[in-house]
Amino acid sequence: EVVLTQSPGTLSLSPGERATLSCRASQSVSSNYLAWYQQKRGQAPRLLIYGASSRATGIPDRFSGSGSGTDFTLTILRLEPEDFAVYYCQQYGGSPLTFGGGTKVEIK
Amino acid sequence: EVQLEESGGGLVQPGRSLRLSCAASGFTFRDYAMHWVRQVPGKGLEWVSGISYNGVYIAYADAVKGRFTISRDNGKNSLFLQMNSLRTEDTAFYYCAKGSIWNADTFDIWGQGTMVTVSS
Repeated sequence: EVVLTQSPGTLSLSPGERATLSCRASQSVSSNYLAWYQQKRGQAPRLLIYGASSRATGIPDRFSGSGSGTDFTLTILRLEPEDFAVYYCQQYGGSPLTFGGGTKVEIK
Repeated sequence: EVQLEESGGGLVQPGRSLRLSCAASGFTFRDYAMHWVRQVPGKGLEWVSGISYNGVYIAYADAVKGRFTISRDNGKNSLFLQMNSLRTEDTAFYYCAKGSIWNADTFDIWGQGTMVTVSS
């Protein structure tokens, strides 16, 4: 099983700042099959990024994904008020599908 | 509008069974893989099970293998999760999620979830 470790656990930032979230895998993620999701309080998750770096439909270009192998990053260029949420990475290169523990981006 | 709506959650005693349903609308259900993902309130996401568009390929998380059964009815645009021998650690919100157009194992549409509480 591929274990995903996200860091930091909580990121305290102000609107307009840049957020950098990390997701590290216990083994290489096959074909860079790594996705990112955003979950706001009381809501279901939303797909942001798939294939490590491709944005899903309707996702603003301030969200970008990068990385390969075991190290992946989600960057939010300039935080908007609606971006404060919890972010999860997910690998789909191997079975079982697994999620990271999440990074909470909170208002400083 | 693309939509998934779960139902069937509730309070159940340990060892008992529960069947979750997910009604899909707004897309061609039979063309897409479907999944169940659960979340303990305040905690992270855990993939539970997935089924291919035609029902041929099925996979489960180790934590539920042998106790849960996923199925689908493409004629009724519905996904199901039969949960047997429930344990207290199965308590969670259960989300129905659609496999995306880019990869069957990413989830581009989610329902709002149904809560399952396993307690005596």
